[in-house]
Amino acid sequence: GAGVSQSPRYKVAKRGQDVALRCDPISGHVSLFWYQQALGQGPEFLTYFQNEAQLDKSGLPSDRFFAERPEGSVSTLKIQRTQQEDSAVYLCASSLVLYPTSYNEQFFGPGTRLTVL
Amino acid sequence: GIQVEQSPPDLILQEGANSTLRCNFSDSVNNLQWFHQNPWGQLINLFYIPSGTKQNGRLSATTVATERYSLLYISSSQTTDSGVYFCAVLKAAGNKLTFGGGTRVLVKP
Repeated sequence: GAGVSQSPRYKVAKRGQDVALRCDPISGHVSLFWYQQALGQGPEFLTYFQNEAQLDKSGLPSDRFFAERPEGSVSTLKIQRTQQEDSAVYLCASSLVLYPTSYNEQFFGPGTRLTVL
Repeated sequence: GIQVEQSPPDLILQEGANSTLRCNFSDSVNNLQWFHQNPWGQLINLFYIPSGTKQNGRLSATTVATERYSLLYISSSQTTDSGVYFCAVLKAAGNKLTFGGGTRVLVKP
C-alpha cells in the first residue's frame, strides 16, 4: 500500500495477557518509530529502528515492552503481561532517510487502539 | 528534554472564520511538522516546515526557528477542519518527534 499500515486496528486484552501489534512501513523507508498516545494527549516516543537495528528504546515504559524488526521492514511491538495502564493507541511511523540528515519527515499509520480490561 | 507548547488548547470557530494556532519550543530543532488528527485517530501530515513559510490551499504555516515558534493559519474554516492539530519537533541530532499537547478545533456550521 501507499501508506503505513497497522494491525489489528483494535485489540481488547484481559489483564495479564500478552499482545502483539504489527506495523508495515512505507516501502523503502529505512527508519521506523513506535509512539504511544494516551487519551487526550499527544503521542509519546517509544522506540526507533534504523533498518533492523533498534537504535533507541529509551521511551519503552517497562521491560514488559519489546519491539523487533528482524528483516528491516515489518515491525512488531509486543507487550507482555498487559496492565490497565497500557491502554492507549499505539502509533507506528516511518521515514525515508537516515539520521542525521536534513530531510526526515515522518508518516504515521492509523494506530492500534489497545484496551486492557 | 525539549518542551513543546501549543496554544490555544481549545478553539471553537464559526464556519468561514480564520484562525491562528501557535507552537512554541524550547530548543533548536531540525524538523517541525504539523499534523491534523481526524476523528478516527489518523494523523495526517499537513506541513514539514523546519523554517520558512509554506501554503497548501486554505492552510499555511510559518516557522521562525531562531525565535523557536511556529504558526499554523486556517482560513475560511470548514466543518471538516475539526479535529486536533499537533505540532511536533525533532531536536537537532535527535531521532524522535516530541509532540505538543495539541489544539482541539471545532468548526460549527
